[in-house]
Amino acid sequence: DGGITQSPKYLFRKEGQNVTLSCEQNLNHDAMYWYRQDPGQGLRLIYYSQIVNDFQKGDIAEGYSVSREKKESFPLTVTSAQKNPTAFYLCASSDYSNEKLFFGSGTQLSVL
Amino acid sequence: EDKVVQSPLSLVVHEGDTVTLNCSYEVTNFRSLLWYKQEKKAPTFLFMLTSSGIEKKSGRLSSILDKKELFSILNITATQTGDSAVYLCAVSPNDYKLSFGAGTTVTVRA
Repeated sequence: DGGITQSPKYLFRKEGQNVTLSCEQNLNHDAMYWYRQDPGQGLRLIYYSQIVNDFQKGDIAEGYSVSREKKESFPLTVTSAQKNPTAFYLCASSDYSNEKLFFGSGTQLSVL
Repeated sequence: EDKVVQSPLSLVVHEGDTVTLNCSYEVTNFRSLLWYKQEKKAPTFLFMLTSSGIEKKSGRLSSILDKKELFSILNITATQTGDSAVYLCAVSPNDYKLSFGAGTTVTVRA
């Protein structure tokens, strides 16, 4: 089945720790995105990548980092510089020049 | 800065009722408006609207866009408990970076 797989579903971070959220897609999509969702707020764009080995900051990139070494994979690292990391993180992908996004099932990140 | 406002933020209805959700927007270089349904985790695509006045339908759901007044509505008729979800509206400018509204939480009671 084609789709987007995010792992883990739940993740706990200790203070000062970096954690990495995985996102893999087998839809052969060029573009991939990371969004953060907080209760009562819309999805906010963290980073996006339209092509392998290239990515751009979104609206709330501070405290996060990404890589795009393979077309299928777009991992997100939440660094210790992100002081309020507790949120639901959604990964998405789309064909190039197509605004219709396909979403993964998300990762809930909490701080211990 | 692009802005998307959804209303109401939440509502509770009974099965069989009709629901109308609103989405207003301000965006530079508008390209399209999209509706998603988020039941538990992954938002799923409902509609993409690019032209004013053309209604899109899928079963009991329908949506229309007004590019002059900068809003869209999503209608759900004969609601069922399975329609309970958060409905997200997003707008896409020419750079394809979607801006999302806060969502409307719909609860359908049996």
